[in-house]
Amino acid sequence: RKEVEQDPGPFNVPEGATVAFNCTYSNSASQSFFWYRQDCRKEPKLLMSVYSSGNEDGRFTAQLNRASQYISLLIRDSKLSDSATYLCVVNMWGNFNKFYFGSGTKLNVKP
Amino acid sequence: DADVTQTPRNRITKTGKRIMLECSQTKGHDRMYWYRQDPGLGLQLIYYSFDVKDINKGEISDGYSVSRQAQAKFSLSLESAIPNQTALYFCATSDPPGETQYFGPGTRLLVL
Repeated sequence: RKEVEQDPGPFNVPEGATVAFNCTYSNSASQSFFWYRQDCRKEPKLLMSVYSSGNEDGRFTAQLNRASQYISLLIRDSKLSDSATYLCVVNMWGNFNKFYFGSGTKLNVKP
Repeated sequence: DADVTQTPRNRITKTGKRIMLECSQTKGHDRMYWYRQDPGLGLQLIYYSFDVKDINKGEISDGYSVSRQAQAKFSLSLESAIPNQTALYFCATSDPPGETQYFGPGTRLLVL
């Protein structure tokens, strides 16, 4: 079983739509959670960290559900520039500070 | 200037050749990582280093080796390249535990 699983998509949505992605993780010891954005064949870049209480950054809202072991990303009022692949990342601390990446969810925002 | 740089950006090589990918960072982070990315598989950890004297194997270290020459430099070597090592390779840094990772621009490697 993969440490982190995501729906690969693609999610095809019109401009202005609201879209949500989920990501599940298998290890309950996971301690830090992130959403990264990756444009085609470029490096991943941090979109936002995900806090236990949930957090919002402009049009983006991230939620964490530890009981069900998933995180979510909500994008409101989608822009063409939001088209990218969104990677879910979890991190476990301690002696093995390892990051586990989902394979990504592709979003296409259409005019 | 970019905080994390990788050289070369693109490389074509032949089966059996030894090649080295280099990574440098100016962020002052102790922790550095090498990943490979294949279509549909996400990023897989090859090696990681918590400081100059601490190097650890990741999920897919077979066929690879690394060298941490200094806090700022972390190199990945393919001792004898094979076609299934064709991939996009990323270097990353992070500091301290639980913090975000910062990626280099990647190296596209094609092994013929």
